[in-house]
Amino acid sequence: SAVISQKPSRDICQRGTSLTIQCQVDSQVTMMFWYRQQPGQSLTLIATANQGSEATYESGFVIDKFPISRPNLTFSTLTVSNMSPEDSSIYLCSVAGGGGTEAFFGQGTRLTVV
Amino acid sequence: GIQVEQSPPDLILQEGANSTLRCNFSDSVNNLQWFHQNPWGQLINLFYIPSGTKQNGRLSATTVATERYSLLYISSSQTTDSGVYFCAALDNYGQNFVFGPGTRLSVLP
Repeated sequence: SAVISQKPSRDICQRGTSLTIQCQVDSQVTMMFWYRQQPGQSLTLIATANQGSEATYESGFVIDKFPISRPNLTFSTLTVSNMSPEDSSIYLCSVAGGGGTEAFFGQGTRLTVV
Repeated sequence: GIQVEQSPPDLILQEGANSTLRCNFSDSVNNLQWFHQNPWGQLINLFYIPSGTKQNGRLSATTVATERYSLLYISSSQTTDSGVYFCAALDNYGQNFVFGPGTRLSVLP
């Protein structure tokens, strides 16, 4: 299994500002995934982060709004830029799940934009 | 891509009752997992079950891959079982999970 530390666990931010969420894994992994969960909804994949290459974004998500860094095989960050109240969500990072392996999630970051 | 459906969307139980949650998926799966999301938003891994049956205490799960469904059984429910239960599936071609819409369970004392 993988242990994932995600921080901050929650934050309240002013509109127009940016927040960077960090995700640290206790082992080296090829791919990390970032999800968004809007209030009362299911989880939606934002992007896949590979070490040493640009992140791959899903339809409806763009790099200017959600820049991602992946400096090494155990760490990634997701930035939510120029925030608006519509960005209020839980953001989660995840590892594995590909190739038939079990997926694990960080504790999530509950973001409220006011 | 794969489609994932869950039923029922909402479920209210009295403490001690049993329940069955269902997950249907549209294509062959490489991975199927059940999660419990607690009130703080954290996703708890319940089962990794692309096929077969597993049990963990009061919870058990069965996936019938050939018929493209999975079931999560909760026996002798407790108030701490309340929350949202998600299943998520990875098809044989993809690299990321597709989550179902979830079942919101409320267990009343």
